[in-house]
Amino acid sequence: EIVLTQSPGTLSLSPGERATLSCRASQSVSSTYLAWYQQKPGQAPRLLISGASSRATGIPDRFSGSGSGTDFTLTISRLEPEDFAVYYCQQYGSSSMTFGQGTRLEIK
Amino acid sequence: QLHLQESGPGLVKPLETLSLTCTVSGGSVATYYWSWIRQPAGEGLEWIGRRSPSGSTDYNPSLKSRVSMSVDTSKNQFSLKLNSVTAADTAVYYCAHWNYWWFDPWGPGTLVTVSS
Repeated sequence: EIVLTQSPGTLSLSPGERATLSCRASQSVSSTYLAWYQQKPGQAPRLLISGASSRATGIPDRFSGSGSGTDFTLTISRLEPEDFAVYYCQQYGSSSMTFGQGTRLEIK
Repeated sequence: QLHLQESGPGLVKPLETLSLTCTVSGGSVATYYWSWIRQPAGEGLEWIGRRSPSGSTDYNPSLKSRVSMSVDTSKNQFSLKLNSVTAADTAVYYCAHWNYWWFDPWGPGTLVTVSS
């Protein structure tokens, strides 16, 4: 099973700042099979990025994804108040899916 | 546009079977892949399993011996059964559409508590 490790666990930033979230895999993952989700309190996760770098429908362009192999990054270029939430990466491989443990993005 | 809604008992006794249903609108349950994912309070997401349109299933190895998934095309529903539950199975349970290699959309989730 591929383990995804997200860092940092918590990221404290102010609106307007840039956020960089990391997702590291225990073995190589095809970029096609890497996704990012946003989850706000009391809500289901929402797909942000699929295929490592493709924004889902309706996702603002301040969200971007990059990476390959074992290292992937979600970047939020300029934080809006509504962006403070928990973010998860997810991978698919060998008919199984795993999630990272999440990064909590909080207002500083 | 797909819309999903979970339903089922909010309280299940230890060692009994947890049964949840996901009602799908905006598309046929027979056409797509479906998954269940759960999240204990304050914790991360755990994939439970998925079912293909052909009926094949893949389950999380840690839950495989206790899980089954099925569809009811007459009601356009997708179901989860988890046997022999314990307190460790207490979580919010989400159904989701498995779209190629990711989950989208998700249902709002339903809380299931395992307690006597």
